[in-house]
Amino acid sequence: KQEVTQIPAALSVPEGENLVLNCSFTDSAIYNLQWFRQDPGKGLTSLLLIQSSQREQTSGRLNASLDKSSGRSTLYIAASQPGDSATYLCAVIPTGANSKLTFGKGITLSVRP
Amino acid sequence: DGGITQSPKYLFRKEGQNVTLSCEQNLNHDAMYWYRQDPGQGLRLIYYSQIVNDFQKGDIAEGYSVSREKKESFPLTVTSAQKNPTAFYLCASSNLAGTDTQYFGPGTRLTVL
Repeated sequence: KQEVTQIPAALSVPEGENLVLNCSFTDSAIYNLQWFRQDPGKGLTSLLLIQSSQREQTSGRLNASLDKSSGRSTLYIAASQPGDSATYLCAVIPTGANSKLTFGKGITLSVRP
Repeated sequence: DGGITQSPKYLFRKEGQNVTLSCEQNLNHDAMYWYRQDPGQGLRLIYYSQIVNDFQKGDIAEGYSVSREKKESFPLTVTSAQKNPTAFYLCASSNLAGTDTQYFGPGTRLTVL
């Protein structure tokens, strides 16, 4: 059974710092990996999707990488801002899982002004 | 304005009552999903549907029921058999291919009194 782990559960950084959020998964047979952002009491917003054949995706200050062989993904946030404060979740679609996402528990990020 | 809507935003239920959560999408997506989110537990899949008039159980389907009579709509009923229904419920949709991102609604917070 696929398991997705995100450690630490919470992170606090000063504004302007570059930071890396980690995600690990146990089964490397995946269709894709996605990173989502969730603000308190809100739904999820898709940030980046990496297909299994890709190594990374970029959007603005965000860069996500994927290393299937080691079962790891990282979300890099450049020049963090207080508006980046939110919970970041990663999720994978395992091969043959009929598009069912398996989520990590998320990392709650706080960016201090 | 395309997207996914969920209603109501907040819902209160007395023990022993069934309640139905609404989810509508105008993205022309074939697949729709219901997740439950509890503090510290991440998102767990309740039910999903890949096509009209068909749906499958997710990881925690006991005490829940769904229907998919129209492509745009995927209502979730929380029955009295669900022992701990207080949670945040999220609906999502995606293209049937399963390699596209899932788009989430704003969520419904259900509280059992």
